[in-house]
Amino acid sequence: GAGVSQSPSNKVTEKGKDVELRCDPISGHTALYWYRQSLGQGLEFLIYFQGNSAPDKSGLPSDRFSAERTGGSVSTLTIQRTQQEDSAVYLCASSLGRAAYEQYFGPGTRLTVT
Amino acid sequence: GIQVEQSPPDLILQEGANSTLRCNFSDSVNNLQWFHQNPWGQLINLFYIPSGTKQNGRLSATTVATERYSLLYISSSQTTDSGVYFCAVTGGGNKLTFGTGTQLKVEL
Repeated sequence: GAGVSQSPSNKVTEKGKDVELRCDPISGHTALYWYRQSLGQGLEFLIYFQGNSAPDKSGLPSDRFSAERTGGSVSTLTIQRTQQEDSAVYLCASSLGRAAYEQYFGPGTRLTVT
Repeated sequence: GIQVEQSPPDLILQEGANSTLRCNFSDSVNNLQWFHQNPWGQLINLFYIPSGTKQNGRLSATTVATERYSLLYISSSQTTDSGVYFCAVTGGGNKLTFGTGTQLKVEL
């Protein structure tokens, strides 16, 4: 079946602009995660959605970052007033349930802030 | 939070050689996954192995949860095995914590 999909695959934006990144999880997966991968920080967790529960936002680096998940499926990660340190690959993952279940990753969105 | 250490950080092999990658973690886990990140950045699932032993073709993995480590074995390595191998764990929370990876290069 289809895997996790993300769009766009690449995004170049100017410092100070807002960006939206989209994730479409595997059908039937109730849990959705956002991570980012940067040269200095490795792979780090950002936010977790599970069903209708309140999201775990403990990994968001600043209040410029927000995410929503509509209808328990598609998720959008929004970065406001982008900074150069936001440049990274943003990865989305989904799983059947809680984090103890196997997670499957999308191809990522490479964000470059100039 | 839980700490994950991988070794070695870099590894160069001749095609056909065997190798063992190690992942140590600092606390009990309920999820442990091995990934291969290909040159395009995609994380490919290799094993979901919070405990026990699994094999898939030339790859196998063992996790000894009581001793807090996991091993990934690659036999008869091929150039297509090149890339970064990540170990990631969940210790009861909501996220995977990743190690810093092993960069593998397989040469002809």
